[in-house]
Amino acid sequence: DSGVTQTPKHLITATGQRVTLRCSPRSGDLSVYWYQQSLDQGLQFLIQYYNGEERAKGNILERFSAQQFPDLHSELNLSSLELGDSALYFCASSVSTPGWGSRQETQYFGPGTRLLVL
Amino acid sequence: GIQVEQSPPDLILQEGANSTLRCNFSDSVNNLQWFHQNPWGQLINLFYIPSGTKQNGRLSATTVATERYSLLYISSSQTTDSGVYFCAVATKWGETSGSRLTFGEGTQLTVNP
Repeated sequence: DSGVTQTPKHLITATGQRVTLRCSPRSGDLSVYWYQQSLDQGLQFLIQYYNGEERAKGNILERFSAQQFPDLHSELNLSSLELGDSALYFCASSVSTPGWGSRQETQYFGPGTRLLVL
Repeated sequence: GIQVEQSPPDLILQEGANSTLRCNFSDSVNNLQWFHQNPWGQLINLFYIPSGTKQNGRLSATTVATERYSLLYISSSQTTDSGVYFCAVATKWGETSGSRLTFGEGTQLTVNP
């Protein structure tokens, strides 16, 4: 058990719908990351938050958004869902401290949310 | 961005055999992690190893940062070792890159009884 929790574990929905994935980081971790794993794109970084603020964006679609709340949990919102959004979505957390060239720590991954869009 | 290449893409072993998985990366890194993704999809941390050598039971890893590669050794393999092994790297924290991990394509390992 990594200490990172994600809900729900599985999600089945229809095209055009909107869903929210939730992540609780490990106790004490201030950085939260979202990754997407799909068959054709592999494991890709989507977005990072640090202590409530967006820190970096990867290949995240405009239909997707995320936020990190004061209690440090994070939510990933996926809207206008398409068949191609079906994937495994992982949340990870670390204690990474921002700052140019700063040391980076282990990222711990949650169990993932498996999304199926029909 | 940084490129990560893993080899071999597929590996089939008999139980008890040893194996070496390789990860090459194109730039200096501040973080390198090895993961095992089990058949249920869980990503399990194996090592955090931006440089040096570490061992954990039958697994060990070595990263030679100056030559930009890392190796994962699995000894006396067991059927439960089956799954996909990923190498992931991050460069130094950047203003726009944060500390994102870039993953390789993975090595699919099958251990037969």
